[in-house]
Amino acid sequence: NAGVTQTPKFQVLKTGQSMTLQCAQDMNHNSMYWYRQDPGMGLRLIYYSASEGTTDKGEVPNGYNVSRLNKREFSLRLESAAPSQTSVYFCASSEEGLRNNEQFFGPGTRLTVL
Amino acid sequence: GNSVTQMEGPVTLSEEAFLTINCTYTATGYPSLFWYVQYPGEGLQLLLKATKADDKGSNKGFEATYRKETTSFHLEKGSVQVSDSAVYFCALSQNTGGFKTIFGAGTRLFVKA
Repeated sequence: NAGVTQTPKFQVLKTGQSMTLQCAQDMNHNSMYWYRQDPGMGLRLIYYSASEGTTDKGEVPNGYNVSRLNKREFSLRLESAAPSQTSVYFCASSEEGLRNNEQFFGPGTRLTVL
Repeated sequence: GNSVTQMEGPVTLSEEAFLTINCTYTATGYPSLFWYVQYPGEGLQLLLKATKADDKGSNKGFEATYRKETTSFHLEKGSVQVSDSAVYFCALSQNTGGFKTIFGAGTRLFVKA
């Protein structure tokens, strides 16, 4: 039982390049999330998926797209990376949603955009 | 809108000292409240939670009480250890027809031997 896994762990991009961050969970959770973590700002939600086949914008969706490929996988794509997207990205999942349920986090992807 | 405010860090303590990390929130209704911990190089993990007023969450010697009257959820531990060095996040969630989880900015704790 690996929990939530993310790839890659580190990535350096040049401005304008694209990339996809991968996330998978093996806990059979319905809900999955992508956050970014910046110094002094806590975690901010980029996109979430309440169930397979649905996605919704979070607090900071601009410059990102997501795909809920199946119940296990939820990917985040940067079409044209910008230096402002330098951050640590976390994927998380939960069983029913956010009200009372624990979120399980992956180890993170540290992205630098030059 | 909803918000979470935590005391700024870093907090530096000696081993066996008493820890308090303050957290206050702004929300309509009755959110659920959480403390998450992030160890170096890892993702966040749930430390404790409380889902209604006057509930006390506890885990690993940490505890926090949901105080509706003061809109607070302060984290406490009676005797910290070096292994408690981490970043602590207060968070609230509220089901109001969509996503409503808000994280505080985090408080870094250093515990010296």
